[in-house]
Order: sequence, then C-alpha cells, then structure tokens
Amino acid sequence: GNSVTQMEGPVTLSEEAFLTINCTYTATGYPSLFWYVQYPGEGLQLLLKATKADDKGSNKGFEATYRKETTSFHLEKGSVQVSDSAVYFCALSETASKLTFGTGTRLQVTL
Amino acid sequence: GAGVSQSPSNKVTEKGKDVELRCDPISGHTALYWYRQSLGQGLEFLIYFQGNSAPDKSGLPSDRFSAERTGGSVSTLTIQRTQQEDSAVYLCASSLTWAPRTNYGYTFGSGTRLTVV
Repeated sequence: GNSVTQMEGPVTLSEEAFLTINCTYTATGYPSLFWYVQYPGEGLQLLLKATKADDKGSNKGFEATYRKETTSFHLEKGSVQVSDSAVYFCALSETASKLTFGTGTRLQVTL
Repeated sequence: GAGVSQSPSNKVTEKGKDVELRCDPISGHTALYWYRQSLGQGLEFLIYFQGNSAPDKSGLPSDRFSAERTGGSVSTLTIQRTQQEDSAVYLCASSLTWAPRTNYGYTFGSGTRLTVV
C-alpha cells in the first residue's frame, strides 16, 4: 500500500537558518505529492503541491521537488522565520478519495 | 460559509457513550473527507463522500463508526459506545471536485478534539 515517511521532529532552528524536512514515499503508481502545514490552533492548510515527476512546488518561500528516482519530496526554505513555526505534513494521493499523510514534523524557530 | 466548520471544537465523553461530530463544508464543495489525527500517528483517513454517497469508507476502524451526509452539505460522524482509544482530533475537509490533483486541494476544518474518559 501507499505510505509516507518523514523525518521525526521536533526540528529547532534559529531564525534565518536553512530548513530541510525530508519526505520519502512508497506508491504503486504515480501519485501527486503535497505539503500541508498546521499552525498552532489552526486547521491544516495546503502549502504546496506537485503532480508529476520533476515538478517543483513553491509557496511562501518554501519549495519541494518531486523526485521519482529517489521517491522523495523534501521541503526546503532558505531562511526560516519565527512565524514558520508549525507542524508540517507530507502527503500523497493516487486516488480521488484520499490523501495518505506522514506523521508530521514539528518545526520550532527561535530568535 | 467561508471555511470548513466543525462542531463541537472539544468534546469530553464517558466511555460507552455515543457521540456525534458535525462538519459543515464550504458551500458548493461536492467532496467531503473525514480524517483522524491521533497523537504521534499522523492523519488517518476514515471516509470520503462524493455528494451524499460514500464511495470509500475503508478507513472506518470498526462498525462503531458511521457517517452520513445529507443534502450534499453537512456531514455527521457518529461513534457508538466510545472507547478510550477513540480519543483523537477528528478532522473534516472538503474540496471543490473529487480529485485532489486539481489546483483546489482540500480545505480542512479546525477539528473536533474528542476525549473519552
């Protein structure tokens, strides 16, 4: 079956540091890949997506590239801010009916 | 409405009681999804509605769990004879079409935190 594995948190960074959150997946076909973010006290929000190999999703300074050869979709940001502190979820979808999520990675950014 | 609305936001119930969780999706969104978020276990798919029908209910963990959707809008998730392992945050999401490959993606509600004591 499909699965998503992402790095365990929490990840603690100083403001302006470079961020990478690793995500790898297992799927039988050609899924779409997503990053969702959950800010404290809020619902999940779509951060970015990529629907085919070599696509790069980007939003709010975050980027992730769909790498079919390594089955990965790592999230990166060049310079994090305190306001980026949240839980980040990697997810995939192969069918209409559902997303398969990773367990989430908590990011804490300090001044 | 402007977003996906879930109620109640918090629910504490005694073991063995039944609970109903409500989801009010964004107006016009035909697809509706329920997920469960347990501590340290990520998000677990429960059920998917397209209109009022549920083509995929494969994630419902037991026959104590059921869900319905009426009028292509509001959905209710019912848990009968609650157990402590049912404690989790129950999330509802809706989307404009049935395919998450579209540009719309899902819009999630803030969830209902269920605690079974």
